[in-house]
Formats: sequence, structure tokens, C-alpha cells
Amino acid sequence: DIQMTQSPSTLSASVGDRVTITCRASQSISTWLAWYQQKPGKAPKLLIYKASTLKSGVPSRFSGSGSGTEFTLTISSLQPDDFATYYCQQYNNFFGPGTKVDIK
Amino acid sequence: EVQLVESGGGLVKPGGSLKLSCAASGFTFSNAWMSWVRQAPGKGLEWVGRIKAKTDGGTADYIAPVKGRFTISRDDSKNTLYLQMNSLKTEDTAVYYCITNPYYEIYWGQGTLVTVSS
Repeated sequence: DIQMTQSPSTLSASVGDRVTITCRASQSISTWLAWYQQKPGKAPKLLIYKASTLKSGVPSRFSGSGSGTEFTLTISSLQPDDFATYYCQQYNNFFGPGTKVDIK
Repeated sequence: EVQLVESGGGLVKPGGSLKLSCAASGFTFSNAWMSWVRQAPGKGLEWVGRIKAKTDGGTADYIAPVKGRFTISRDDSKNTLYLQMNSLKTEDTAVYYCITNPYYEIYWGQGTLVTVSS
């Protein structure tokens, strides 16, 4: 099984900050990676698929990069609506444990 | 438009059984790999298992905690995915989602709540 890890587990940041979350796979998954945002009580929302493709309608301050075993989700300028938990997922397989972005 | 609609959730006693369904539309269901994902209250997202398209062998894989208790199946004539859950435990309490990526984008259903409690 390919395991997924994320770092950090919690991130405290301020509005306007540049934020980077890292996801690592235990072996290469090429670019078969997705990123989600989830707020309490809501279903996950797809942000990025195929490692770097921004889903239509998602603000351009979100971007994804990486391939193989290391991936990053970057929020270029954190907005109040972005405080949430973020998950990475290998396609048809495991999720990372999540990164909670909260207010500093 | 891709649509996934789960049904079949509810309250069941420990040791009981439940069968979830996921009705799919808007894509060629028979060609798609389908997964079940769950989220227990206050916990993270957990991939439960996946079934491949019949053209890729049609086999299913599961996480260790559900192996031998849960069975994923599909009826391509009805465009429907199933999750048969037996010997349910309190720790199986969660919202269950079906998800798929018929192209590259990943689509989710709205989820169905399964509560295992005496």
C-alpha cells in the first residue's frame, strides 16, 4: 500500500500570508494526486486534480505542484474563507491525514 | 454532468448489516473505477476501498479494518455501485461517500450517514 503523509498537521497563519502544505507519498504516484478543502460539517471540495490542474471555479490563489513522491499546495495570499482543513489524496486510494489552517 | 447519489444509510445495531447504493449518471459508468470514502465524526477522510472497471479486471480492494466485513460491487447495467457492510462496529459510524474520476477530475456524491449504535 502507498501511504500518504502531510506536513504540517496544523498551520497558523494570517490573512495575506503565503501558505504551503506538503504531501508525500511512500512511493511514486506520478501526478495522480488531488487536493481538497473541507470546512466543518461540509463535504470536501476539490481544489486541484492531477497534481496541478485547478478545478474550474476555484480561485487562482490556489496552486498545486509536484510529481512522484512530493507535492505541494500553495495559497498565494490567504483569505478569510481559506481557514479550513486541507487533504491530499492519491487517486483511487489513500488520503493524507489533513492539515488544519487556522488563524494566527 | 457527472452525478453520484448515495442512499441506504441509517441506524443499525452493532453486528448488523447495511447495504449502501450509489447511483451514477453523466459518464460511462462501466469504464470507471469507483471508490467508497468515509468520514467518522470529527475525524479525517478515510478511503474505504475501490472497485476497478470490468475491463481492468473488476476486482475490489479494501483497507484492513473492513476487509472481510465489507464488499464493494457494481451493476454496470444499472449504473450503480454498492457497499455491503456486515458485522458492523461502532467505529464504522461515518458519512459514506462514493467517488470517481471518469476523466481526471474527481467527483463526489453528497454522502449518506451510517450510525452503528445499540
